[in-house]
Amino acid sequence: NAGVTQTPKFRILKIGQSMTLQCAQDMNHNYMYWYRQDPGMGLKLIYYSVGAGITDKGEVPNGYNVSRSTTEDFPLRLELAAPSQTSVYFCASSYTPGQGGRWGYGYTFGSGTRLTVV
Amino acid sequence: KNEVEQSPQNLTAQEGEFITINCSYSVGISALHWLQQHPGGGIVSLFMLSSGKKKHGRLIATINIQEKHSSLHITASHPRDSAVYICAVRSDSNYQLIWGAGTKLIIKP
Repeated sequence: NAGVTQTPKFRILKIGQSMTLQCAQDMNHNYMYWYRQDPGMGLKLIYYSVGAGITDKGEVPNGYNVSRSTTEDFPLRLELAAPSQTSVYFCASSYTPGQGGRWGYGYTFGSGTRLTVV
Repeated sequence: KNEVEQSPQNLTAQEGEFITINCSYSVGISALHWLQQHPGGGIVSLFMLSSGKKKHGRLIATINIQEKHSSLHITASHPRDSAVYICAVRSDSNYQLIWGAGTKLIIKP
């Protein structure tokens, strides 16, 4: 099925470890996003990309890095994990803001990665 | 003050009731999104609006640009509608989304 695929679904990291959250979409969306959602809170934008080779910081980029070598993939790298990075991470994609897409729909989200840093 | 305010924060209703969730925003926008987050955590985009009204099944979304207000309505509510409903606006200055905190809806049988 077309959509956004995120892996892994769950992960426990020790403080100081690193990992990469994978995100892939097959809808030829040019915009991709990484969000984190802390318990009881709204989503916060970590990084976004407007196309292959172009990335930019969101609200909360510290402690993370991204790359966008292809239209389909947008991995999120955590270096030196800290307990403050315990959260649920969502990858999303969309067409260029203001343009079309499926009627009534703007964004397609992955199923999320629940990360715990201990 | 948050740039996107949703009300109510929590809503419990009986099956069959007409549900209204409100979203007010204070910034210039190019579009407003309504999304649904299921109890299991998955997020589904419901509507993207820039004017007027959209309908999809039992869901209706309206927006009043002059009043900077949007509503999401659910007709003939059902327990499977229980979820968190999130309003997010796309800023007209940088195209980034500004998220509301969500409305937790519980529909009792």
